Amino acid sequence: KAGVTQTPRYLIKTRGQQVTLSCSPISGHRSVSWYQQTPGQGLQFLFEYFSETQRNKGNFPGRFSGRQFSNSRSEMNVSTLELGDSALYLCASSLGQGTGTQYFGPGTRLLVL
Amino acid sequence: DAKTTQPTSMDCAEGRAANLPCNHSTISGNEYVYWYRQIHSQGPQYIIHGLKNNETNEMASLIITEDRKSSTLILPHATLRDTAVYYCIAHGSSNTGKLIFGQGTTLQVKP
Repeated sequence: KAGVTQTPRYLIKTRGQQVTLSCSPISGHRSVSWYQQTPGQGLQFLFEYFSETQRNKGNFPGRFSGRQFSNSRSEMNVSTLELGDSALYLCASSLGQGTGTQYFGPGTRLLVL
Repeated sequence: DAKTTQPTSMDCAEGRAANLPCNHSTISGNEYVYWYRQIHSQGPQYIIHGLKNNETNEMASLIITEDRKSSTLILPHATLRDTAVYYCIAHGSSNTGKLIFGQGTTLQVKP
């Protein structure tokens, strides 16, 4: 099976812009979670989607949003980008909701200038 | 989910067993112990998980103490490609997929 894919892999934006990141889960996986990784804060949970519904949300401002489509693919959006949003954004897929066994993609590295 | 504590860094000689400890003294009965690793600039990789029995797969073995307050991940024959940050996570069988990553242990495998 193909693994989790994320596009784009690298992105450079300027402050105030918005960005959309895409994640395609492993075939058959219905749950997608998103994480942000920065050198200062480490890996932090953003949100989890299952059956097109957001099931859980981490402690991030409303500028961070996401959605999941009927084919389980997911997107996350960050509006009004700030310098501190520069990070590696990771997507993970799993078979069901709430499982700790998650399979991560390679991530999208976002640089905000 | 319970907090876990791991040493910041460890070294291991290539070909030897790497034993990575994790303390989870406040773990509750329905929480599993999960191990992930992250090789530089890649996404985390699931390794193994267990509840109370020891577990083994093609990557590693997981030894959980009888009181479940600590565990050890064992890489039986470490190679240079095992150099990574290893995360120990306590995760309950709840309805949330939120994994709480700590700082992990940086394992350096040396030739």
